[in-house]
Amino acid sequence: GAGVSQSPRYKVAKRGQDVALRCDPISGHVSLFWYQQALGQGPEFLTYFQNEAQLDKSGLPSDRFFAERPEGSVSTLKIQRTQQEDSAVYLCASSIGQPSSYEQYFGPGTRLTVT
Amino acid sequence: GNSVTQMEGPVTLSEEAFLTINCTYTATGYPSLFWYVQYPGEGLQLLLKATKADDKGSNKGFEATYRKETTSFHLEKGSVQVSDSAVYFCALMGTGGFKTIFGAGTRLFVKA
Repeated sequence: GAGVSQSPRYKVAKRGQDVALRCDPISGHVSLFWYQQALGQGPEFLTYFQNEAQLDKSGLPSDRFFAERPEGSVSTLKIQRTQQEDSAVYLCASSIGQPSSYEQYFGPGTRLTVT
Repeated sequence: GNSVTQMEGPVTLSEEAFLTINCTYTATGYPSLFWYVQYPGEGLQLLLKATKADDKGSNKGFEATYRKETTSFHLEKGSVQVSDSAVYFCALMGTGGFKTIFGAGTRLFVKA
């Protein structure tokens, strides 16, 4: 079946623009994660959803970052007033159940470049 | 807070050599430990995991043992292949939590 998909795959934004990044998890997966991966670094946790509930948003770097998953499937990560330090690959992952017990399946990522 | 430290790369080996990539962690309680791999042009995928002390995770010839006494989860493979060339990430998930903490990654090059 289909894996996790993300769109767009590449996004160039001018500083100050708003962007929206989409994640389509594997159908039926309860858990959904967003990560930020800077060049040459490991992914850094941003936020976690269990169905439509955002249970942990402790990794969101500022109030310019907002994530939602209104129907418990597709999720959107929105970044307002983008800054150059927001340039990174944004990864989405989904898991069928409780994250500590089940494998996270990662999407290909969206590479965001802020100019 | 929780953290993961893994050896810096790149690591360059000849085919059939023995591989060790060191990973140590800092965490309270009993975290779950993972190795993820990212092959060129592909997304991150789980390689192996261990959820309690002394557990050994294994997959595709790779192994790692959860050592609580040394807070380590070193990745090993007895005989690497060119196709193992990739970036390897050590990671942990804290007790009862959702946040996965990743190391910085170790790039492995295997020469024929």
